[in-house]
Amino acid sequence: SQQGEEDPQALSIQEGENATMNCSYKTSINNLQWYRQNSGRGLVHLILIRSNEREKHSGRLRVTLDTSKKSSSLLITASRAADTASYFCATVASYGKLTFGQGTILTVHP
Amino acid sequence: EAGVAQSPRYKIIEKRQSVAFWCNPISGHATLYWYQQILGQGPKLLIQFQNNGVVDDSQLPKDRFSAERLKGVDSTLKIQPAKLEDSAVYLCASSHPPVETQYFGPGTRLLVL
Repeated sequence: SQQGEEDPQALSIQEGENATMNCSYKTSINNLQWYRQNSGRGLVHLILIRSNEREKHSGRLRVTLDTSKKSSSLLITASRAADTASYFCATVASYGKLTFGQGTILTVHP
Repeated sequence: EAGVAQSPRYKIIEKRQSVAFWCNPISGHATLYWYQQILGQGPKLLIQFQNNGVVDDSQLPKDRFSAERLKGVDSTLKIQPAKLEDSAVYLCASSHPPVETQYFGPGTRLLVL
């Protein structure tokens, strides 16, 4: 079953703009992870945020987590054409099991 | 460091035939996962191994799917007999607790006609 739901389903922006994707989930979690998938590199881990953290940064990525609202957001700043991909949030409730959402398709136009 | 290896990369079969996929995880990774990703959806966990023991196979259709991980290293996933709805990408991933990041292979794209 899919735990997370991403919003929007698709996002189209120009290079240099910021991209924000949201994820909502239903049950308590241990941590939440974001993954990127494109045809060239497959599914790649981007960032992990634990249930006791509220915000985390990694390069141009900023992730927030609100456990009271059961939601997370991924912000990509100064987007590049190479950021074009599908982005998935995945929740971890126990023993490392990832439950993925449906994903957001991001298109960055040069 | 070599990544997760999977083969074959593509497979086309007819319904009711059988098929097998192979995965070799990153060296030293104790945990191995098989996911099914249907077009337009996120990956869904089919089975999780810790060394050569099964941790979670609650979403594995056991009447037609089977998986094994002999000697706690590489793994095979088999479908017998295949149905049209099994058309998907089958992803293998590995991790090494306590690190919680999973590393994914390139996947096997299966088309059932």
